[in-house]
Amino acid sequence: AQSVTQLGSHVSVSEGALVLLRCNYSSSVPPYLFWYVQYPNQGLQLLLKYTSAATLVKGINGFEAEFKKSETSFHLTKPSAHMSDAAEYFCAVRSGGYQKVTFGTGTKLQVIP
Amino acid sequence: EAGVTQFPSHSVIEKGQTVTLRCDPISGHDNLYWYRRVMGKEIKFLLHFVKESKQDESGMPNNRFLAERTGGTYSTLKVQPAELEDSGVYFCASSQDSGVYNEQFFGPGTRLTVL
Repeated sequence: AQSVTQLGSHVSVSEGALVLLRCNYSSSVPPYLFWYVQYPNQGLQLLLKYTSAATLVKGINGFEAEFKKSETSFHLTKPSAHMSDAAEYFCAVRSGGYQKVTFGTGTKLQVIP
Repeated sequence: EAGVTQFPSHSVIEKGQTVTLRCDPISGHDNLYWYRRVMGKEIKFLLHFVKESKQDESGMPNNRFLAERTGGTYSTLKVQPAELEDSGVYFCASSQDSGVYNEQFFGPGTRLTVL
């Protein structure tokens, strides 16, 4: 079985501040982990993915995430928030032979000017 | 290259009516997925097509939902009769092959409201 827990349904940061969105996963086999972003009125867009090649994964728009097996975490970070980062972010997992992606409940990021 | 498209973008129907959602995957993508997000909850997998065949329909909530992909191109998801709890956003995604690394590209979703 696979599952994802995102801590915090809403996160507010000031423009220029660090963004940290938390994600913990559960998987009985080595997982493939993803972060997706949904901007208003748009579809889900892949930000980055972990596929066991490197524990620190860099994605688009300056985001990165670190896979920590000991903590079963895959937190998303960005050093300096921009107004355009305001969106909803989803952590997701795919493991074993599963094709389906299991999503977390999402975190809405608000960036305050 | 056009992305995954979904139609309609919004649908408002009354309980007991029928609604059909359509998804056009990226051209050449054999794999097509349906997901649903009920208000405030996580996005949940509904089913997976490989070409015209249902590979995994373990997420389909009940027999009021019928998904088809005739010809292996676009797909439809019919809800008949619709119930209040069917309200939510229905996402479609497609991928080129079935490898676990393979990225699923998502459409903008169809927001369904059942009154």
